[in-house]
Amino acid sequence: GAGVSQTPSNKVTEKGKYVELRCDPISGHTALYWYRQSLGQGPEFLIYFQGTGAADDSGLPNDRFFAVRPEGSVSTLKIQRTERGDSAVYLCASSEGTSGGGAKNIQYFGAGTRLSVL
Amino acid sequence: AQTVTQSQPEMSVQEAETVTLSCTYDTSESNYYLFWYKQPPSRQMILVIRQEAYKQQNATENRFSVNFQKAAKSFSLKISDSQLGDTAMYFCAFMKPGDDKIIFGKGTRLHILP
Repeated sequence: GAGVSQTPSNKVTEKGKYVELRCDPISGHTALYWYRQSLGQGPEFLIYFQGTGAADDSGLPNDRFFAVRPEGSVSTLKIQRTERGDSAVYLCASSEGTSGGGAKNIQYFGAGTRLSVL
Repeated sequence: AQTVTQSQPEMSVQEAETVTLSCTYDTSESNYYLFWYKQPPSRQMILVIRQEAYKQQNATENRFSVNFQKAAKSFSLKISDSQLGDTAMYFCAFMKPGDDKIIFGKGTRLHILP
């Protein structure tokens, strides 16, 4: 696609429920990132995929959070037993994936999924 | 650990004026990348400008330029001839080569007034 696509745009759920958030990266981008942006804060890193594997999941807050990217393209962030503190905007980004920070490693972001846990 | 600090939570300027957003950061690395991202109400983070720490020349993109002071660990963004469409949250951000995760500041909300 032309840009990073995230669905749904908004998700309202009840405390204790399970949710899945989807990210469709820019075609051909091998690297994919998830960030969480709480109200009034900057985005915080959650997890990074290079291809199908999670290269760095150090930002996942606890074992209720899990992400997959089975075919190296679309990724799903899964949150079990949601809590009110999980309410935030979840942003996904992708890049061409060349490590070292060159121009090919610029991260392009989607518009995020706003998760509200009631 | 690296940190990014934006000391101006909110700013307002008149259309066509010049505005400068401040950012300081802390790192022990000698090589790194600094960014300014714009986040309009649509929520999508848009890269405004990027600076590589080993380059002394300040980056410029049309009306946007930076003042990169490596010794002072300062990275301010100047917007010239501001336009209504510049109204957004602006985030200063840091990335270490090979680390791949971006560390963001808390942001500055910029209002361009007609």
